[in-house]
Amino acid sequence: GQQLNQSPQSMFIQEGEDVSMNCTSSSIFNTWLWYKQDPGEGPVLLIALYKAGELTSNGRLTAQFGITRKDSFLNISASIPSDVGIYFCAGPPSSGSARQLTFGSGTQLTVLP
Amino acid sequence: GAVVSQHPSRVICKSGTSVKIECRSLDFQATTMFWYRQFPKKSLMLMATSNEGSKATYEQGVEKDKFLINHASLTLSTLTVTSAHPEDSSFYICSAETGGKYQPQHFGDGTRLSIL
Repeated sequence: GQQLNQSPQSMFIQEGEDVSMNCTSSSIFNTWLWYKQDPGEGPVLLIALYKAGELTSNGRLTAQFGITRKDSFLNISASIPSDVGIYFCAGPPSSGSARQLTFGSGTQLTVLP
Repeated sequence: GAVVSQHPSRVICKSGTSVKIECRSLDFQATTMFWYRQFPKKSLMLMATSNEGSKATYEQGVEKDKFLINHASLTLSTLTVTSAHPEDSSFYICSAETGGKYQPQHFGDGTRLSIL
């Protein structure tokens, strides 16, 4: 099946630092989604990207849909303790069902005070 | 925003018991719901796609007789883990979408299933 390679797997950063994580795929995606999951809870949608080249912000979060449609990145600026959690990229591959999501392996973010 | 409610949040039961998990869309009609399974420190794996009024579509390797899915209304899908065994212990998460023009899925808070 389709795979999304997400990196890094984990990050330990100081409060106030900026964070960057990315996802790549060997297949084209029509949509890129970024979710955050807190322990014991379901993922929460952070940003949705629908067009190649699109750059979208949500507060301190910024994400971009790669021009090749095979990658996306998420940046978090001026990190705070509540940014801790697992971040997943996801999307419906263009070759599969338009609605079924493939998830990346996740990036575990730890913010140190 | 769209809200998906999942119940129960945690279940602990004996081996051989059947367990039903409910997924409800609270403020929208969900023509399609999805059921995922997540192991500790792992990503979400799609188990099945549930369409209102029709049979669920299961992913390869998922036993449809073990994981029974019913989507009887536009706001409710249920997942029943039949004759559960310890290896079925996991975090089960549902999601829902409205259909029509593509909209991102909204997720429930998950159900932690522990089989003793």
